[in-house]
This record gives sequence, structure tokens and C-alpha cells, in this order.
Amino acid sequence: GAGVSQSPSNKVTEKGKDVELRCDPISGHTALYWYRQSLGQGLEFLIYFQGNSAPDKSGLPSDRFSAERTGGSVSTLTIQRTQQEDSAVYLCASSLADGIITGELFFGEGSRLTVL
Amino acid sequence: AQSVTQLDSHVSVSEGTPVLLRCNYSSSYSPSLFWYVQHPNKGLQLLLKYTSAATLVKGINGFEAEFKKSETSFHLTKPSAHMSDAAEYFCVVIGGSGNTGKLIFGQGTTLQVKP
Repeated sequence: GAGVSQSPSNKVTEKGKDVELRCDPISGHTALYWYRQSLGQGLEFLIYFQGNSAPDKSGLPSDRFSAERTGGSVSTLTIQRTQQEDSAVYLCASSLADGIITGELFFGEGSRLTVL
Repeated sequence: AQSVTQLDSHVSVSEGTPVLLRCNYSSSYSPSLFWYVQHPNKGLQLLLKYTSAATLVKGINGFEAEFKKSETSFHLTKPSAHMSDAAEYFCVVIGGSGNTGKLIFGQGTTLQVKP
């Protein structure tokens, strides 16, 4: 499809396990963003990529969270030693390079993470 | 620092009646403001944006919003609600300046449309 693709759509894991969430942006979009959506917290910014570099990763909640982007395309968000408070929907978005100015982001449908 | 406050967590209207979703902003400079919509099990979609060109902004599906600097508001309206408008709506501001990719989202307003 032509939209932002995220996988898995649903992930249930046990506390302490590592998880990887994948985002495939729209072709040609150089900017990529990760957000987290949880009850009571709304939408929280996690990290922003421009190409393969991350000029802003101020939203990553702890050193258990990391993200990378390779080839200016696919991005992976990794959560190590998951905790129950990590349960949320993780949203990925992509945009043209000026997305941080225009605010025109295209979001995927999210990966729902449940930590038991 | 930039922020937005959505004044209602839930709004319920009857089909065919007007919709008003309220948003106030706080910004140290002229803000760029947006409304995004999230339908159940769908990705967030940009509804409309204000970037200082015109204070009345028209978006998709008949929605519009008016930027009022004196009231620091950016309320979303639609003259006549349709069942398909039922969704969650987010007021958004671009946070910070320079090389940040941060959109700051309000807490969201759930719009219920009754037949």
C-alpha cells in the first residue's frame, strides 16, 4: 500500500522481555516520527528521524528505549526489559523533509503493545 | 513552551446539528496549529492546519477552524454533524523551534454522533 505500515499490529509480551516494533514509511518521506498513545497520557512524542539521524530523541522515556533507521527508510523501535507501564499503542508517522514545519504527518495504524 | 488544551474530553451531538470542539493554545510566538482526527482502528489524519495565512481555515469533510489570537483559541466547527464524524479529535501545536520534530497533542476530544 501507499501508507505508513507498522508491524506487528498487536504484540503481547511478558514483563522483562525485549520487543521490536517496525515502521515502513511512505516512499520518499525523509522524516520519520515515533509517538506513544496511552490512556491517561494522550499522545507522547518519542523520537524524530531526518534520514538516518535522530536530531530529536528527547521523548524516549528511558534507556530501555532505542530506535534506529537504516537506509533512510525502515525504522525499528526497540524496548528492552519491558515493563507493564510500557503497554500502549506505538504510532509511527512519516513526512516530507519539511514536516516539522508544515505539521503534515502521515500516521500508521499503530502497534498495540501489551506487557503482562 | 507551546501547549494546547482541549476543553472537553467528550462531546455528544445529534446527527444534523452543529459541532463545536474547543481548543486553547499557549505559545510564546505565533503558533502553527492543527486538528487531527482518529477514527476507530485507523491512523491519525490531518483535518486542517493554521499557519498564519488566514484566520479561518477550511479542512476536509466540511470542518473548519478559526484562529483567534485575542482568545488564544482554535476551535473546530462543522455546521451539520454526520454519523461518520464520530471519532477522536486532537488539537496540535508544533513544539519548539529549530531542529525538533515534536508535535504537541492535546488530550483529545471524543465526538459521539447520535442518530
